[in-house]
Amino acid sequence: DADVTQTPRNRITKTGKRIMLECSQTKGHDRMYWYRQDPGLGLRLIYYSFDVKDINKGEISDGYSVSRQAQAKFSLSLESAIPNQTALYFCATSGGTGYWTEAFFGQGTRLTVV
Amino acid sequence: GQQLNQSPQSMFIQEGEDVSMNCTSSSIFNTWLWYKQEPGEGPVLLIALYKAGELTSNGRLTAQFGITRKDSFLNISASIPSDVGIYFCAGQPLNNAGNMLTFGGGTRLMVKP
Repeated sequence: DADVTQTPRNRITKTGKRIMLECSQTKGHDRMYWYRQDPGLGLRLIYYSFDVKDINKGEISDGYSVSRQAQAKFSLSLESAIPNQTALYFCATSGGTGYWTEAFFGQGTRLTVV
Repeated sequence: GQQLNQSPQSMFIQEGEDVSMNCTSSSIFNTWLWYKQEPGEGPVLLIALYKAGELTSNGRLTAQFGITRKDSFLNISASIPSDVGIYFCAGQPLNNAGNMLTFGGGTRLMVKP
C-alpha cells in the first residue's frame, strides 16, 4: 500500500459544484501539504499544515479550503469549482524536525471541471 | 513568490547520451532538491543538496548545489529508456522557516531506444 494515498484518482465535476479531495498517510508525519500541478508551472503550494491544529495558506489558496481531520488525514475542498481549477493535485507529507525534511508525494488526483 | 527557472523545458535524446538540466533563481536557497515524476505517479526525490558547492551522486545521477546558492544542475549519464519522465528542481528559500519548497517548471525527458 502507498504511504500517501489520495482519493479519488480522477474526477470530473461541473462548474459550481463543491468537491473534496482526500489524502491519508501512514508515514506518521506531522506535516502535510496540498500542491497543484499545471503543465510548465511545476508544483504550486495551495495549503499546508504542520499539525492537526495548524493550517496555513500557500501561494495559491484562493478558491480552496482544507481540513486536517487527524494527523494522518488532510482534505482539500473546492467550494465552487471553476474550469481554471482543472489540474493535477498532489498531497505530500514530511516529518521530523530541523532544517529540512524529504517530502513524500501521493499519486495525484486529476480533476477536470467542465 | 520565489521563482525557479528550470531549463530546458524538454529534451529528446538517444539512449546512451548524457543529459544535463539546471535551475536558477534570483534568490538564495538553503536547500536544493531534484525530483522525478513518472506518468501517473507523484514526484519521487532523487537527490537532496544542503551545502553550497556540494556535489552528490546517486547512481548515474549527479547534482550540484551552486556556489552562489542561486542555482543547481542535474546530470544523467548514459541515459536509458526508464529515465523518461519529468524532472523537477525544488528549493527551500533562505529564511523560510516552514519547510515550504518552491518548484521549477520541470524538464520533460524523452529517450529514444
